[in-house]
Amino acid sequence: GENVEQHPSTLSVQEGDSAVIKCTYSDSASNYFPWYKQELGKRPQLIIDIRSNVGEKKDQRIAVTLNKTAKHFSLHITETQPEDSAVYFCAASNTGNQFYFGTGTSLTVIP
Amino acid sequence: NAGVMQNPRHLVRRRGQEARLRCSPMKGHSHVYWYRQLPEEGLKFMVYLQKENIIDESGMPKERFSAEFPKEGPSILRIQQVVRGDSAAYFCASSIGTRGLVEQFFGPGTRLTVL
Repeated sequence: GENVEQHPSTLSVQEGDSAVIKCTYSDSASNYFPWYKQELGKRPQLIIDIRSNVGEKKDQRIAVTLNKTAKHFSLHITETQPEDSAVYFCAASNTGNQFYFGTGTSLTVIP
Repeated sequence: NAGVMQNPRHLVRRRGQEARLRCSPMKGHSHVYWYRQLPEEGLKFMVYLQKENIIDESGMPKERFSAEFPKEGPSILRIQQVVRGDSAAYFCASSIGTRGLVEQFFGPGTRLTVL
């Protein structure tokens, strides 16, 4: 089955700096890669996603890149703000039948 | 359009009792997924259901756990004879599921505590 690995597990950045979180996956059939943000005690919320026919996708300060050959995808947050502090999860899915999640990255943005 | 609803939000059970967790998907969504999240850990897939069908239950323990998504009403995750190790947050998510629309939207979760 699919195996998703996520790094780093914790990340601290100064406000205004960029944050990068990386995930790798093992199943070449995976074709949908969402990213979720989970604040303490809250539900995971979809913040951006990418499909395997696209290499990069951007939404304001958030971007995701996908390298199908290397089987890795990354989340980039620019101009970080304190409200970006949360746990971020990547996931991989093949046709939506099952989603495999990474173990999460706890991001702290220091004011 | 209400989001994914889960109830109860908090559930306390003693060892050996049964826990029933309910999930109402977003309007128009016919695909439901259940996940378990232990404190400071990731989301572990349990089961994927469509209306009246279990599509994939490979992440669900073979004993004591069952799930259903009837034609009418919410999806239910049932845990029989709960043990302390079942204490966790249980999230459900729903998606439209068809036409490539697989984006999942999560409910607020049910936090199960087994005493």
